[in-house]
Amino acid sequence: EADIYQTPRYLVIGTGKKITLECSQTMGHDKMYWYQQDPGMELHLIHYSYGVNSTEKGDLSSESTVSRIRTEHFPLTLESARPSHTSQYLCASSERLISYNEQFFGPGTRLTVL
Amino acid sequence: GENVEQHPSTLSVQEGDSAVIKCTYSDSASNYFPWYKQELGKGPQLIIDIRSNVGEKKDQRIAVTLNKTAKHFSLHITETQPEDSAVYFCAASKPSGEANNLFFGTGTRLTVIP
Repeated sequence: EADIYQTPRYLVIGTGKKITLECSQTMGHDKMYWYQQDPGMELHLIHYSYGVNSTEKGDLSSESTVSRIRTEHFPLTLESARPSHTSQYLCASSERLISYNEQFFGPGTRLTVL
Repeated sequence: GENVEQHPSTLSVQEGDSAVIKCTYSDSASNYFPWYKQELGKGPQLIIDIRSNVGEKKDQRIAVTLNKTAKHFSLHITETQPEDSAVYFCAASKPSGEANNLFFGTGTRLTVIP
């Protein structure tokens, strides 16, 4: 079982609220990722990080922002949530300096914006 | 960039029968092909992977085959059990380096009927 945690697991909030989804890993992995998973199952990479102070945008444009101040922590923030942000958000991590990108996923946060 | 296609999107099999999920990829530089299983309410978990220097890998009831020439790889589950019911994702990535993110297929929802 991978040591990667996400909180909260479920969140229901009103439109316009600022939220932060937490992700932490205890494996010392340099690379971390955020995926958005729609009801059709597909995984969309929205942010990733190579290490501390590194953040990159993924393949799917997102209004969320991320930060990486510590190796183990990669929070995702929505400044003003909207119903279109309703989705499952998955965090993952992997080692940076290996040949093969095996990613370990957290359990996800299911966000509902009313 | 890499494009991974996955078929079928849904698959129902009788308990004890075999299940096969197929994926194709577009970038011949990809060399790592993991398969993830996502159970309800959980994040994806790696179940098996194959690297481009082998053509087949087996782990108990699951096996993966890779055809580099045709750029396709497949997951085979034999003697299926109800606990195999889940969403399965294939993925591909390039060799190590800064840009070796995983590119996921669109997922296959497998249902094993008791």
